[in-house]
Amino acid sequence: EVQLVESGGALVRPGRSLRLSCSTSGFKFDDYAVSWFRHAPEKGLEWLGFIRKKAFGGTTEYAASVKGRFNISRDDSKSIAYLQMTSLKTEDTAVYYCARGYCTGVVCYWGQGTLVTVSS
Amino acid sequence: DIQMTQSPSSLSASVGDRVTITCQASQDINKYLNWFQQKPGKAPKLLIYDASNSDPGVPSRFSASGSGTDFTFTINSLQPDDFATYYCQQYENLPYTFGRGTKLEIK
Repeated sequence: EVQLVESGGALVRPGRSLRLSCSTSGFKFDDYAVSWFRHAPEKGLEWLGFIRKKAFGGTTEYAASVKGRFNISRDDSKSIAYLQMTSLKTEDTAVYYCARGYCTGVVCYWGQGTLVTVSS
Repeated sequence: DIQMTQSPSSLSASVGDRVTITCQASQDINKYLNWFQQKPGKAPKLLIYDASNSDPGVPSRFSASGSGTDFTFTINSLQPDDFATYYCQQYENLPYTFGRGTKLEIK
């Protein structure tokens, strides 16, 4: 069974950093990209970025709203992807989700999400 | 960035009704459009990809069509489990962008 589990969400002060993890199982992790999304309170869904699989260079793409502040990485030996968030702002408060692949075709597995609250 | 204009933003309907949601892209996105369903406290669920293809296991009452800039999503014979928020998302160009969502409520 394919599973993705996000962790690391917390209450943090503006300007601080936080790293989220996306632990996976049930599939060959290094065959897939990993995408990150978020859902802010009373707002819609937002695509944050993805990391390609190593065979495609393991390169990353980001939304403008997080580029330069967020960094996506992966550890294929552990089947985990990370979202490193720096210079956090109150508007980064959201539930953060990881997903297998790019979610640009058939079957898109998501984790259950982890809540990040940025507040003083 | 490609802007996705989704309407209506909210919709009230009854069990058994047929509802339609539209999504308009600010430029041609070919067929590269997803439709997601999201319930409170849950992850989004992909219902439709490539504008009109149903994900495996999605009930046949959900359908969608369109290409280029104009897309529609239809639910035939609403069931109680269908009351949720629906989002369109384009993946023709980076950054992938979502519509603002349609909240479907029980009348």
